[in-house]
Amino acid sequence: QKEVEQDPGPLSVPEGAIVSLNCTYSNSAFQYFMWYRQYSRKGPELLMYTYSSGNKEDGRFTAQVDKSSKYISLFIRDSQPSDSATYLCAMSAVGRSGGSNYKLTFGKGTLLTVNP
Amino acid sequence: EAGVAQSPRYKIIEKRQSVAFWCNPISGHATLYWYQQILGQGPKLLIQFQNNGVVDDSQLPKDRFSAERLKGVDSTLKIQPAKLEDSAVYLCASSPRLAGETQYFGPGTRLLVL
Repeated sequence: QKEVEQDPGPLSVPEGAIVSLNCTYSNSAFQYFMWYRQYSRKGPELLMYTYSSGNKEDGRFTAQVDKSSKYISLFIRDSQPSDSATYLCAMSAVGRSGGSNYKLTFGKGTLLTVNP
Repeated sequence: EAGVAQSPRYKIIEKRQSVAFWCNPISGHATLYWYQQILGQGPKLLIQFQNNGVVDDSQLPKDRFSAERLKGVDSTLKIQPAKLEDSAVYLCASSPRLAGETQYFGPGTRLLVL
């Protein structure tokens, strides 16, 4: 079983739709959960990260973590064509300093297309 | 604030040749990472530097890959000799010290080995 599983899609939605992207994981040591957006031929861009369980909201983006189910989600409200990209989840354990231990384990990414 | 810079952006070589990639991290970021991203996969960490010291190179194929970060700023990643399976995007990232949850990636170098 892979440490991080992510449905590669592709996922195609109409503009304005609510998008739900998900990852599951098996390593209970993971405490930091990140979502990256990667446009074609670009490097990943950090959207947001959460620590432990709970929700975090940033504009149209909401990240949720359910540690009991080992399941994380990213919701995009009022999706726009500019949101069309690959979305990568990433996770890490806690380092000695209390922050992420830097060693990110990524999912394969989900390719999202938002149609005008 | 300038982002992570990488060069070249694209490289095509034949197998058994050598190649080198360069990275300049965000100013003031003590931690630098090299990742390998194969098509259709998420990035995989190859090596992590803290200033000019190696913190983790457990996933670096040391028989053919090498990396250095002289003076704790720029870094180079070298492959010698290259194999077909090394075709991938090589991403450099940096983060402030002790904040691995906020890694900033460069645009990557796309390598094709023929």
